[in-house]
Amino acid sequence: AQSVSQHNHHVILSEAASLELGCNYSYGGTVNLFWYVQYPGQHLQLLLKYFSGDPLVKGIKGFEAEFIKSKFSFNLRKPSVQWSDTAEYFCAVSSSGAGSYQLTFGKGTKLSVIP
Amino acid sequence: GAGVSQSPSNKVTEKGKDVELRCDPISGHTALYWYRQSLGQGLEFLIYFQGNSAPDKSGLPSDRFSAERTGGSVSTLTIQRTQQEDSAVYLCASSLDRGRSPLHFGNGTRLTVT
Repeated sequence: AQSVSQHNHHVILSEAASLELGCNYSYGGTVNLFWYVQYPGQHLQLLLKYFSGDPLVKGIKGFEAEFIKSKFSFNLRKPSVQWSDTAEYFCAVSSSGAGSYQLTFGKGTKLSVIP
Repeated sequence: GAGVSQSPSNKVTEKGKDVELRCDPISGHTALYWYRQSLGQGLEFLIYFQGNSAPDKSGLPSDRFSAERTGGSVSTLTIQRTQQEDSAVYLCASSLDRGRSPLHFGNGTRLTVT
């Protein structure tokens, strides 16, 4: 069974600081990787995804993530955060093979950006 | 604006009562998912539908939980004899198909069992 670990429960940053949220997964096969974001009072929405190819993927609002296969990691980064990035961020993984429908989520990281 | 719609948005019920939670997916989405979000616990997978069939019910916590989907569209999650530990936000999501298509989530139903 696959699992996802997000290292930080709550991150507090000042505006313009750089962000990196850690995500590690455990699964022996080929995976699809996702980051979802939940802004206060809103539903979960897709931030970015990785299926194959270039391990550095770019998403919306200046976010990017790097897939490092040897480390089973898919960390989320942003060079300079804004107050509007305050949200909860969820890393998720699905397998590329049979059973690929099941998206397994991490427990989430709450990001608070102080103006 | 056809997003995923869930009702009710909030439900308070007494322990032991049955509840029904409804999900209207995006039109044309064949895959439908139910997740449960508890404080500090992330999203827990409950069940997945492809069309009207549920090939994987392994995430349902107990036999008090059941779900159905009709017409390849609306889905209902039923919790019988609710317990306090059932209190959580129940999220529904749909996607064009399984696997790589991103999930589109509803706003969830916040269930409180008193």
